[in-house]
Amino acid sequence: GESVGLHLPTLSVQEGDNSIINCAYSNSASDYFIWYKQESGKGPQFIIDIRSNMDKRQGQRVTVLLNKTVKHLSLQIAATQPGDSAVYFCAEIPNSGYALNFGKGTSLLVTP
Amino acid sequence: DVKVTQSSRYLVKRTGEKVFLECVQDMDHENMFWYRQDPGLGLRLIYFSYDVKMKEKGDIPEGYSVSREKKERFSLILESASTNQTSMYLCASSFFGAGELFFGEGSRLTVL
Repeated sequence: GESVGLHLPTLSVQEGDNSIINCAYSNSASDYFIWYKQESGKGPQFIIDIRSNMDKRQGQRVTVLLNKTVKHLSLQIAATQPGDSAVYFCAEIPNSGYALNFGKGTSLLVTP
Repeated sequence: DVKVTQSSRYLVKRTGEKVFLECVQDMDHENMFWYRQDPGLGLRLIYFSYDVKMKEKGDIPEGYSVSREKKERFSLILESASTNQTSMYLCASSFFGAGELFFGEGSRLTVL
């Protein structure tokens, strides 16, 4: 099937800086996207989602941006904290699909 | 809080053994999923179920089967384990299709 990919496999940021994690998707029919965070030794946890009729959605310290023209998704984390260190996955659901299709993940490392 | 419980965090099995991975969710979710997670490959869908006794193949069903006799329980079965099935297995559930997935902590299987 079509793939969901990430631009960078690893990202290192300093505590307090903003982080941006990018994701490219290839299925133009996808209409729902989710970002997950996976800490070491744990299962992925939902962070934020966005539907294709939106360009931007904000949560607590996180913002997801969707650019359908170039099929690009990003997760912005404000004032990154050590607890944000984890692997981040984007996931998509095609409008005819039933199950989430996950990207390969980006490892975020927050340094003091 | 939604809780998805996977029966074993760590298993070591021998090639050819039959392996059962059990998953139980406590939120009356209709949908349950099994993914495997491998470094560099992200999460790949093995099987999912949208109702009791119903199952659908995901992207990599070969070598696996599933059972859903009760709504809260979804089992993954490896009929004859092979070394290439050494992986982290993640169970998830959701209420609305493939919307927000709630994951278990994972079962790390090693096949010798």
